[in-house]
Amino acid sequence: AQSVTQLDSQVPVFEEAPVELRCNYSSSVSVYLFWYVQYPNQGLQLLLKYLSGSTLVKGINGFEAEFNKSQTSFHLRKPSVHISDTAEYFCAVMGGGSNYKLTFGKGTLLTVNP
Amino acid sequence: KAGVTQTPRYLIKTRGQQVTLSCSPISGHRSVSWYQQTPGQGLQFLFEYFSETQRNKGNFPGRFSGRQFSNSRSEMNVSTLELGDSALYLCASSLVAGAPNTEAFFGQGTRLTVV
Repeated sequence: AQSVTQLDSQVPVFEEAPVELRCNYSSSVSVYLFWYVQYPNQGLQLLLKYLSGSTLVKGINGFEAEFNKSQTSFHLRKPSVHISDTAEYFCAVMGGGSNYKLTFGKGTLLTVNP
Repeated sequence: KAGVTQTPRYLIKTRGQQVTLSCSPISGHRSVSWYQQTPGQGLQFLFEYFSETQRNKGNFPGRFSGRQFSNSRSEMNVSTLELGDSALYLCASSLVAGAPNTEAFFGQGTRLTVV
């Protein structure tokens, strides 16, 4: 079985500050990792994903994440946030084998204040 | 190209009733997955369909069911509604199933309120 823990339910930051949203996962098989963003009253949009290769993954809107196998983490970072980054962010894991369904964390609400 | 379309966007039903939600995937996409999103439980996987066959199912009671048509459109049905079924139901489509390098595109969801 696989699971995802997002360590912070809410993260408030000021505009232009750096931010890190934390994600830890557990899985008994090789995993694929994703970060999604959800703006109010919208569906989810893929920010970035790790499938294999380089552990540093760059995504849209200036976000990046680093896969750390030894710490089973996949933290999301942005060096300077904007008001428009205010949204809920979901970390997700997809296991290999015969089970390719996405398992999501509970989400982190990022609020960027002026 | 058009995105994933979910209808209706909002729905209010009474306990005990049944409801059917619809999802039209992106043209050419053959895989459709359904998720339930609630403040308490977050996003939970309901089921996935590919080429009219259910490939995967989450841990939901039998009151939740779905199907996929030959044009890849999918419907999910919830019978004997309970207050706890109030949620945002999200549909995601992708080109194929079981391929992590294939992006899943989400619709805006159907907000179901059970009163």
